[in-house]
Amino acid sequence: GEDVEQSLFLSVREGDSSVINCTYTDSSSTYLYWYKQEPGAGLQLLTYIFSNMDMKQDQRLTVLLNKKDKHLSLRIADTQTGDSAIYFCAESMTGGGNKLTFGTGTQLKVEL
Amino acid sequence: GAVVSQHPSRVICKSGTSVKIECRSLDFQATTMFWYRQFPKQSLMLMATSNEGSKATYEQGVEKDKFLINHASLTLSTLTVTSAHPEDSSFYICSARETPGHLPITDTQYFGPGTRLTVL
Repeated sequence: GEDVEQSLFLSVREGDSSVINCTYTDSSSTYLYWYKQEPGAGLQLLTYIFSNMDMKQDQRLTVLLNKKDKHLSLRIADTQTGDSAIYFCAESMTGGGNKLTFGTGTQLKVEL
Repeated sequence: GAVVSQHPSRVICKSGTSVKIECRSLDFQATTMFWYRQFPKQSLMLMATSNEGSKATYEQGVEKDKFLINHASLTLSTLTVTSAHPEDSSFYICSARETPGHLPITDTQYFGPGTRLTVL
């Protein structure tokens, strides 16, 4: 079955860039997503990328996709304390409204 | 727009009792709702897919008689944990997919804030 892996923890200083990495095993993954979860809350969709794209930028967020290596990354520029949360990557073969397979989550801690 | 609520946000119950969790789409209609379970410091695991007016589809390893799902309307799905035991303690999250016709450009599911269940 599908397997999505992330590093568990990342600590950065406020103002620096954060890069959160994700690897997946299913080569038929068509849609890839990044979600943010704040403590005790549900998930908020941050951004997405289709498998035929290499990069997508949305304000402070940049998503890079290396389909050959099945590697996805999320870069957050000018990281702020409000960015502290758990970040999940997720993949789907049929679109975000259907079954999603989530990664293990990366806890981002932003220090002053 | 696209707000999903869950009730209750937190529940503590005794072992052997049943607990019902509600998931509502507040400003859109959802033909499909999903139920996830999240253990501490772990990812979300899909439990079941709930379609309005039909039986839920459960993921492998999820007991359908223990986790009863009802999706009686386009805005409400319920998850009932029957005869709860301490190992059922977890964070339960629902999500809702907007009915086609009101979709944004990207098909997506909107997540509720979650329900923390503690079984004593």
